[in-house]
Formats: sequence, C-alpha cells, structure tokens
Amino acid sequence: AQTVTQSQPEMSVQEAETVTLSCTYDTSENNYYLFWYKQPPSRQMILVIRQEAYKQQNATENRFSVNFQKAAKSFSLKISDSQLGDTAMYFCAFMKPRNSGTYKYIFGTGTRLKVLA
Amino acid sequence: AAGVIQSPRHLIKEKRETATLKCYPIPRHDTVYWYQQGPGQDPQFLISFYEKMQSDKGSIPDRFSAQQFSDYHSELNMSSLELGDSALYFCASSLGRLGQVNYGYTFGSGTRLTVV
Repeated sequence: AQTVTQSQPEMSVQEAETVTLSCTYDTSENNYYLFWYKQPPSRQMILVIRQEAYKQQNATENRFSVNFQKAAKSFSLKISDSQLGDTAMYFCAFMKPRNSGTYKYIFGTGTRLKVLA
Repeated sequence: AAGVIQSPRHLIKEKRETATLKCYPIPRHDTVYWYQQGPGQDPQFLISFYEKMQSDKGSIPDRFSAQQFSDYHSELNMSSLELGDSALYFCASSLGRLGQVNYGYTFGSGTRLTVV
C-alpha cells in the first residue's frame, strides 16, 4: 500500500527567505504523480505544483520548485523569496492512475508553514 | 494504526436520486472536513465540523447537507443528484478545530460517486 509522510508538522521562515518542506512516500508503482497542495485558512485546496514520476526534470512554478528523487522516494517543496501569503498548510499527495480511468489519491498529514514578517 | 474510514468506496446513483456518504475519523479526532474533487480539479472544501457543530462552510450546494454525530462520525447527504456531482469525495479528520500541529490532518481514501 502506498503511504505519504510529511515529517515536519510545523515550520516557519522569515519573509524573503527560502524554505524547504519535505515529503517522502512509499510505493511499488512506477507510473504515478506527486502534488503539493496549499490550504489557506479558507480551507480550499490549491494546487501548487505537480510532478509526473516518469519525468526526470524537477517541476518549477515561479517561486515554487520541487526536488524529486525517485529512487529515494522523496518529493520536497522549495519556496523561494517567501511571502506572507505563503502562510498556509501544505499537503503532499500521491496519485496513481488506474486502468479503469479512475485514480487513487493519498495525502500526507500536512506541514503548517508560517512566514514571519 | 487506524485511519479515516470512508464508506462506501464506490457509489453509482441515477440523476435525482439521493446518496449518503459516511466518514469515520481517527479515534479521538473531533474535527471532520469534507472535500469534493471533480475530474482534473483541485479538491474543493465543502464543510467541516468540530465537536458535532458546523465549524466552517465552503462551496457546499444547498442540495447537500452534513452532520457530525455523537461518536464523531460524519455523514454527507446529497439529494437531487446531478451529473456534475460525480466526483471523489474526501473526508479528513484532525484533533481540534484548527488542526493541532502535532497531529495534522488524516485523509480517508475517498468515496467515488458516479451519477448516471
């Protein structure tokens, strides 16, 4: 069974600095996707970045980038030039597409990030 | 370790029918959240409960209602189902309304609802 582990319940970073959130997962699958979601106080889940497992190149989205280490099953999120609006809960998620056309999602327990002024 | 249990895993309903989804949180967790994820979409927050009272409300349609029972399990009732209600419905639980730092959230595997 797949598992997703976020070992940092809470982190803080000074505004304009860089922070890295860690995520590890366990799977025997070869074809899957990994995501980082941001959950602000509104509780909406906002997709930050996604990574296809078959792609070796790390995904980047503006100030957000990932360090995807497939062999180590590690998927960390780096936030550069942190902004106050980045304060939120961050969830790492694993998704496995199924042959039926459906998919299976597994979420980590979340990391609460606080950006300090 | 016990996880968040959602039932059923899969559900197929016809338009205008009613569906009830159930969520059993981690033991001792007192807060439950419901999310709806349509195909290719981000999970949308529907509603949450803390200590059996509604704590936050998101984009939950009026046709849907939910409650949390004395044993902390929650049910999402969906009436007059529409094709657009077909989605994966996640439940998550945590300890404390704001999600206590040391415990975080635990998500269930979801209920896949298909409306035909």
